Amino acid sequence: KNEVQQSPQNLTAQEGEFITINCSYSVGISALHWLQQHPGGGIVSLFMLSSGKKKHGRLIATINIQEKHSSLHITASHPRDSAVYICAVRGSNYQLIWGAGTKLIIKP
Amino acid sequence: DTGVSQDPRHKITKRGQNVTFRCDPISEHNRLYWYRQTLGQGPEFLTYFQNEAQLEKSRLLSDRFSAERPKGSFSTLEIQRTEQGDSAMYLCASSPPGEVDYGYTFGSGTRLTVV
Repeated sequence: KNEVQQSPQNLTAQEGEFITINCSYSVGISALHWLQQHPGGGIVSLFMLSSGKKKHGRLIATINIQEKHSSLHITASHPRDSAVYICAVRGSNYQLIWGAGTKLIIKP
Repeated sequence: DTGVSQDPRHKITKRGQNVTFRCDPISEHNRLYWYRQTLGQGPEFLTYFQNEAQLEKSRLLSDRFSAERPKGSFSTLEIQRTEQGDSAMYLCASSPPGEVDYGYTFGSGTRLTVV
């Protein structure tokens, strides 16, 4: 059904590189979440967006409601940023519809 | 309150046995969600509670699955007659009153292995 699609599925980069992860969705949404999941760990909510742009430290998230697209950027990437990044959207009900995730590896 | 707690962290069970997981949300959060995540996939929604009322339930929550939140605080998820296909990470999340999407907080999950 793939209502939420993320790209790339896997991303390997060198420490310090600028990282972009993309999320496209096909359903009407009321909010979009970016989440982080470390191996064997829980899921941490990074951002919730319904419009515009948010920034927290080295992380920036943007959303374009008209184009049904969101991006997560990481500036000055660091090995500790290595994780799976998940985009999830909420439609008219209370469910979150999740993307398959982007596995990010930052090499020192 | 250190966040959403799930117990146990890991559970190995034999096929056909019943298992029960517990989730303790953040105390002031009235909304509680259960998700299931299989290897390499994004989490799938199972059910949603607002206070003690179960307001949404996925078709994935078959008759072998049941969830409760009797006093609007902690919740339990029970799987009866477990099957190997039930092996997954079971995630609980909670969020506070007000706008639904603010403050989503996830637990570390319960990893179930059915052998």
